Amino acid sequence: AQKITQTQPGMFVQEKEAVTLDCTYDTSDPSYGLFWYKQPSSGEMIFLIYQGSYDQQNATEGRYSLNFQKARKSANLVISASQLGDSAMYFCAMTEGGTALIFGKGTTLSVSS
Amino acid sequence: NAGVTQTPKFQVLKTGQSMTLQCAQDMNHEYMSWYRQDPGMGLRLIHYSVGAGITDQGEVPNGYNVSRSTTEDFPLRLLSAAPSQTSVYFCASSYSTGTSGSIEQFFGPGTRLTVL
Repeated sequence: AQKITQTQPGMFVQEKEAVTLDCTYDTSDPSYGLFWYKQPSSGEMIFLIYQGSYDQQNATEGRYSLNFQKARKSANLVISASQLGDSAMYFCAMTEGGTALIFGKGTTLSVSS
Repeated sequence: NAGVTQTPKFQVLKTGQSMTLQCAQDMNHEYMSWYRQDPGMGLRLIHYSVGAGITDQGEVPNGYNVSRSTTEDFPLRLLSAAPSQTSVYFCASSYSTGTSGSIEQFFGPGTRLTVL
């Protein structure tokens, strides 16, 4: 069974709008971490945001916030005020032991002017 | 700090050839891992290491070997390259806070491998 599910292969948004990228996860470990990465067309993996399973508050980093709903096992990424430079592939990932990551298949975000 | 470095950036092999992808980090991280990325897929874990001398298999380990003799280096060996191993390979390092997993995984720039 997939541990990380991203159900949106592609998303389209206009500049300055907010967009939510969905991610659900599956684990029985009470201690885990959730990540979002951005991969532009140049190919590098850029860390965006992290949420620990014991964190009480939703993580925020600038225009990025993680909507963490533990009971629903969801960790959606919210990008506020989209910019053209946000066009990229976005990956949700999880670690259960802090060693390595399990990735979803990604969502391609396209931002238009 | 150079972070995580990978060499080479590009490589073309013939079926049956062997080679080693190099990965090094200068952040003294305990954990290192190798992933492959194929079109339309997320990154899939090949092998990982929790410290010098300790390695374990990930989701797709077949056809690859690893060793970790030092904290800094974690090379990935292709024993007999096959076209199915054509992919982009990423190395990553991370540390554990001891609570909900690591804070951040630092990725190298990737190696694009083509096997003919």
